[in-house]
Amino acid sequence: GNSVTQMEGPVTLSEEAFLTINCTYTATGYPSLFWYVQYPGEGLQLLLKATKADDKGSNKGFEATYRKETTSFHLEKGSVQVSDSAVYFCATANQAGTALIFGKGTTLSVSS
Amino acid sequence: EPEVTQTPSHQVTQMGQEVILRCVPISNHLYFYWYRQILGQKVEFLVSFYNNEISEKSEIFDDQFSVERPDGSNFTLKIRSTKLEDSAMYFCAGDGDSPETQYFGPGTRLLVL
Repeated sequence: GNSVTQMEGPVTLSEEAFLTINCTYTATGYPSLFWYVQYPGEGLQLLLKATKADDKGSNKGFEATYRKETTSFHLEKGSVQVSDSAVYFCATANQAGTALIFGKGTTLSVSS
Repeated sequence: EPEVTQTPSHQVTQMGQEVILRCVPISNHLYFYWYRQILGQKVEFLVSFYNNEISEKSEIFDDQFSVERPDGSNFTLKIRSTKLEDSAMYFCAGDGDSPETQYFGPGTRLLVL
């Protein structure tokens, strides 16, 4: 079945640093890919998504490009803020498109 | 902005006891889901629910688990006889547009002793 693998954390950065969180996928066909974020004490929130190859999802300064050549969907942000401290989950849909399949999550901690 | 709520936020129970985790999805959503995350592991799909029936379930969702929507607003997950390995964070989710756009609650942390 479909799956995603994301880099282990935690990731610790200073404010204004560049962020990359790696995510690769294994899938039958080309399912949609997602990044979810969980801020402390809150639920998972959809951060961005891409529905087909070469699509770029973006939101709140974060970007990720669906690359089928490298089966990747890496999350990037050019300049992180303290408020970006959270757990980030890469996800895809199952083959039927009826449920989400998540990675383990990567904890990002940004200090001022 | 409407949001998904879950109660309790934390629950501690003894092995073998029954627990009921509660969720109030966004009112106009049609599909409802339960996921769980064992500490340090992936968020895993448990079950989806549509039109008052289970539409899909994972191999994790065995006979110890059940779901229902008793009153049209609450969506519950029952674990009949908890085991130590049921200790996890349980997330409820719902969607109205498509299963690919799901709105999650904050989770219930269950600890089985």
